[in-house]
Amino acid sequence: AQSVTQPDIHITVSEGASLELRCNYSYGATPYLFWYVQSPGQGLQLLLKYFSGDTLVQGIKGFEAEFKRSQSSFNLRKPSVHWSDAAEYFCAVGSGQAGTALIFGKGTTLSVSS
Amino acid sequence: KAGVTQTPRYLIKTRGQQVTLSCSPISGHRSVSWYQQTPGQGLQFLFEYFSETQRNKGNFPGRFSGRQFSNSRSEMNVSTLELGDSALYLCASSLGGGRGTEAFFGQGTRLTVV
Repeated sequence: AQSVTQPDIHITVSEGASLELRCNYSYGATPYLFWYVQSPGQGLQLLLKYFSGDTLVQGIKGFEAEFKRSQSSFNLRKPSVHWSDAAEYFCAVGSGQAGTALIFGKGTTLSVSS
Repeated sequence: KAGVTQTPRYLIKTRGQQVTLSCSPISGHRSVSWYQQTPGQGLQFLFEYFSETQRNKGNFPGRFSGRQFSNSRSEMNVSTLELGDSALYLCASSLGGGRGTEAFFGQGTRLTVV
């Protein structure tokens, strides 16, 4: 069965420092992978997605992610974190069924210190 | 254009009652999915509707049901509420093209069961 693991529940990064959030997936075929961000009291916003092709994908707000099939990973990165990036981040994989159902990881909460 | 609209934003219900939540998708979107978000279980897929038909269903009891109208608006119903149904219920709409189609999320309905 498909699954997503985000090993880090909570990460604190200094403003201006680089960020990497980890995501590992379990999926038999080529996965459809997504990163979403959720600010307090808000819905989810798509940061980026990967379906095929170039394994390094660029997203909004300066985020990027790299798909590594050999490691079953899709880690999210940002070279310089801003205080406004503090939020909860979710990695997701398409469920494999027809349609748009997503399987989410448990999320990583990012805190940014000044 | 207007985003995904969920009503009401907050709801308090008593155990045993039933509740109906509403979701208006982005204009032109034909797919609506519902998710339950709790601190313990994270984000879990409930069901997806496409052109008034349920296309996918998650692993939830039959107390959870939904429907979609001809204008793509969707409702979900939870009968015989339990304390454990307290959660943020998120609706997502998409064009409905399939697994890779981007899903746009509403801000959610916060349901509290007392």
